[in-house]
Amino acid sequence: NAGVTQTPKFQVLKTGQSMTLQCAQDMNHEYMSWYRQDPGMGLRLIHYSVGAGITDQGEVPNGYNVSRSTTEDFPLRLLSAAPSQTSVYFCASSTMKGVNEQYFGPGTRLTVT
Amino acid sequence: AQSVTQPDIHITVSEGASLELRCNYSYGATPYLFWYVQSPGQGLQLLLKYFSGDTLVQGIKGFEAEFKRSQSSFNLRKPSVHWSDAAEYFCAVRAGYSTLTFGKGTMLLVSP
Repeated sequence: NAGVTQTPKFQVLKTGQSMTLQCAQDMNHEYMSWYRQDPGMGLRLIHYSVGAGITDQGEVPNGYNVSRSTTEDFPLRLLSAAPSQTSVYFCASSTMKGVNEQYFGPGTRLTVT
Repeated sequence: AQSVTQPDIHITVSEGASLELRCNYSYGATPYLFWYVQSPGQGLQLLLKYFSGDTLVQGIKGFEAEFKRSQSSFNLRKPSVHWSDAAEYFCAVRAGYSTLTFGKGTMLLVSP
């Protein structure tokens, strides 16, 4: 199993540009989520999904869109990038049974100039 | 709403010394608690988790954590720190389906 994969690893955008961060998992996990990590802030939840076709907002959803058309994929879209979105983004997945720890991808480092 | 507090932003420990990282949580029900570790430039790796039963849980890499309901704490410990333990450590509490709320992290520095 590859686990949770994220692409790209690094990205530089100009203000106003759009892009999609890709996330995929091969563990048949129902739950997937996106976090952003900023220095001194820990990880903050952006959006999450409990299954295909179901998404919901987390703590910091503004400026981001998500969709979940398949169990495996959970892309994060920035429609109009802003410097405040400069961050490291992590995707995670888990089952929804038992004590379901989340498995994290390697992260995408995004810089918006 | 749930929250997690890690009171120490940085901790420096000598190699071979013992380690305790503090974590306090706020959650209305029985918590599911986790400790993750993040090495520089890497993703998060689960060290250990607690959901019920024995309040002292063992994890990977020689770490353990003790759940104390009366103190709303879930402190991480290791009896002898190795240089390779230098990393950032995150405590998290689970609420809802699988939503995790993280603390802001504690950076562990290991001195020779």
